[in-house]
Amino acid sequence: DQQVKQNSPSLSVQEGRISILNCDYTNSMFDYFLWYKKYPAEGPTFLISISSIKDKNEDGRFTVFLNKSAKHLSLHIVPSQPGDSAVYFCAASEEKSSGDKLTFGTGTRLAVRP
Amino acid sequence: DVKVTQSSRYLVKRTGEKVFLECVQDMDHENMFWYRQDPGLGLRLIYFSYDVKMKEKGDIPEGYSVSREKKERFSLILESASTNQTSMYLCASSFGPISGNTIYFGEGSWLTVV
Repeated sequence: DQQVKQNSPSLSVQEGRISILNCDYTNSMFDYFLWYKKYPAEGPTFLISISSIKDKNEDGRFTVFLNKSAKHLSLHIVPSQPGDSAVYFCAASEEKSSGDKLTFGTGTRLAVRP
Repeated sequence: DVKVTQSSRYLVKRTGEKVFLECVQDMDHENMFWYRQDPGLGLRLIYFSYDVKMKEKGDIPEGYSVSREKKERFSLILESASTNQTSMYLCASSFGPISGNTIYFGEGSWLTVV
């Protein structure tokens, strides 16, 4: 049962344009969402996060939007750069007394064309 | 900077062998995690630990066990390796609840079981 879904396995964008990566979730108890970026043969690195009490968080070229009613979040990268080419994972967390854990999506491979 | 170190980057093991994957973090983090990454499946949680000698099953614990004897070290054990355990294994750690914090990943261990 995939609780966090990234339905687009890949995305190709021209340099300078906007990249929009989407993520859907099914568990209404998730209260914190994160995006991670992963290059081949490296571990994922944290990119940006958003609490469920907000609908937008911005950090430089990266903005995450959260639509709780639709159980949907998106990552916007503008302007896109060739160095942004990587796999992006959406992740969600539910705070529990037994310990938090992150549930990841399947990832979207972004290719930014020069 | 937080450092999560996985002792082996690349391993080749035979079916039926016992395999140990070691992970050490240097930031006194309470929580530690083991994930595996497979194409099209994203990152899936195997086990996590929120304290020394404590462990919780993740989403795919079958065929694995873990050990956390010291706060900084979290070991993943494959009692009898099988070919379907060929994968990239990622260790991670975090301090306190995930909301408001993030988890930091190691560089990954590529395991091939032949």
